Amino acid sequence: AQSVAQPEDQVNVAEGNPLTVKCTYSVSGNPYLFWYVQYPNRGLQFLLKYITGDNLVKGSYGFEAEFNKSQTSFHLKKPSALVSDSALYFCAVRDGDTDKLIFGTGTRLQVFP
Amino acid sequence: DVKVTQSSRYLVKRTGEKVFLECVQDMDHENMFWYRQDPGLGLRLIYFSYDVKMKEKGDIPEGYSVSREKKERFSLILESASTNQTSMYLCASTQSGGLGSNQPQHFGDGTRLSIL
Repeated sequence: AQSVAQPEDQVNVAEGNPLTVKCTYSVSGNPYLFWYVQYPNRGLQFLLKYITGDNLVKGSYGFEAEFNKSQTSFHLKKPSALVSDSALYFCAVRDGDTDKLIFGTGTRLQVFP
Repeated sequence: DVKVTQSSRYLVKRTGEKVFLECVQDMDHENMFWYRQDPGLGLRLIYFSYDVKMKEKGDIPEGYSVSREKKERFSLILESASTNQTSMYLCASTQSGGLGSNQPQHFGDGTRLSIL
């Protein structure tokens, strides 16, 4: 079955430190991968995507993600966290069989001053 | 920028009522989606539409229906609201290419629906 997993419900990091939000996937065929962010009482905002090409993808607000085919992972990263990065982050993957987007359960990022 | 507007941010209804959630997008997108978001479950697809008057069931269509009479508007209907439909509902749209399009989906700010 196609799936995406975000193993951490919450990630805590101090402002200025690097952050990583983890995502692993399982799909047939080539994966199309997405990261979205949700601020309180708002909808999801697109951060970045991997379709093909360079394994390191750069996105909005200084975020980047590394696609690792052998580990079937697409971890979200940022070199220096800001308090304003505190939000709920969702990883999503296209299901190659049905073309649906499958979302992870979300990871809450808390950046402390 | 793409604007996806959901008509209500908060809505309170009673069990058994027929409930309409409206969504409008302004970028002439072919594809529109309705999700519900529940803590610990992520987003689950209820219905989607590739074009006017077209609709397809998602993963959890039971108790819901949709209407797409105009390209820019996609309505979600709870035929007879029940308490287990209390949730955050999110509408999204994207350019053509189907569900599997490599284009990102653009989301509205959501409607938090409470069924009493």
